[in-house]
This record gives sequence, C-alpha cells and structure tokens, in this order.
Amino acid sequence: AQSVTQPDIHITVSEGASLELRCNYSYGATPYLFWYVQSPGQGLQLLLKYFSGDTLVQGIKGFEAEFKRSQSSFNLRKPSVHWSDAAEYFCAVDNYGNKLVFGAGTILRVKS
Amino acid sequence: DAGVIQSPRHEVTEMGQEVTLRCKPISGHDYLFWYRQTMMRGLELLIYFNNNVPIDDSGMPEDRFSAKMPNASFSTLKIQPSEPRDSAVYFCASRGGAARTGELFFGEGSRLTVL
Repeated sequence: AQSVTQPDIHITVSEGASLELRCNYSYGATPYLFWYVQSPGQGLQLLLKYFSGDTLVQGIKGFEAEFKRSQSSFNLRKPSVHWSDAAEYFCAVDNYGNKLVFGAGTILRVKS
Repeated sequence: DAGVIQSPRHEVTEMGQEVTLRCKPISGHDYLFWYRQTMMRGLELLIYFNNNVPIDDSGMPEDRFSAKMPNASFSTLKIQPSEPRDSAVYFCASRGGAARTGELFFGEGSRLTVL
C-alpha cells in the first residue's frame, strides 16, 4: 500500500536560516507528490506539486522541493525562513484512484 | 471566490447525539472530499464524491457515519450516534479540473468534541 513518511515530528529553526523538511514515499508507479501547509486553526493550503519533468519544483512563499526517485524522497526546502512560516507541513502522495495519502506532518517552529 | 465553506466551525455535543457537518464546495468543482484529522491518526480520507456521486467511502469508519451530496453546492457528513472517539477536526475539500493533478482546496474545518 502507498505510504508517506515524514520522519521529523518537530523542527525548530532560527529566522533567516535554511530549512529542509523530509518526505519519503512508498509507491510502485510514478508518484504524484504534494506539499501542503496548515496554519493553526486553518485548513491546508497547497505549496507545490510534482507530476513529471523537472525534478526541482518551485512553489508559493519561496518554497521548493526536489523529487529524487532513487531515494524515494520529495524534500521541501526554503533558503531563508521567516517567522510567518511557522506551521505544520504535510507531504502527500496521490494514490492511484484519486485519493491523497498524507504523511503525519512536521511542525515547524521558528525562533527569533 | 469564497472558498470552501464549512459549518459549524465548532461543535460540542454529548455522546449519543446526532451531529451534522456541512460543506459548500467551490463553485464549479466536481470533486468533494471529506477528511478527518486527529492527533493519533493524522489526516484520513473518509469519502469522496464526483459529480455528486459517492465514489469511495472505504474510509468511513463505521455505519454511524454517513455522507450525502444532494447537489453540486452542498454536502453533509452525519454521525449518529456520536461517540467520544469521533472527536476530531473534519475537513471538507473540493477540486476541479483534471483528476489527480488538480489542487485540493480545503475548508477551515469543523472541530467536533463529543463529551
């Protein structure tokens, strides 16, 4: 069965520092991969997605992610974190059959 | 566009009571999804509709849960009778365009507490 693993439950970074959130997936075919962000008390918002082509994808709010098939990974990165980036981040894979399977999420804390 | 609208935002009820959660998807979107979010289980897909027809309800936990979509602009998720373990945030999301590649737009969620 398809699955998504986000190994880090919490991550704390200093404002202005770089960020990388890890995501590994288990999927037999070409995956459709997504990163969503959830601010407290809010729904999820799409940051970026990957279907095919260039393995480095750009998203909103200065985020990017790189698909690495050999490592079954789709890590999210940002070169310089802002305090407003504090939120919970979810990696998701499209289960063939039109269903998104979400990882457990990574809570990002930003310290000033 | 107003986005996906869910009501109520918060619901506190007692065990055994009926709970009805409502969702208005984005106009023109032909897919609607109901998710449940808990600390223990994360985000789980309960059911989804395409053109108002339920396509996959394999995530519905048990017969106490039911969902309907009588028209393209309205869906309900009902729990009857409710139990404390149903306490969670329930999200509705909608999507238009091509399957699999289109963006899911989430509502702000309905936080349910069953005492």
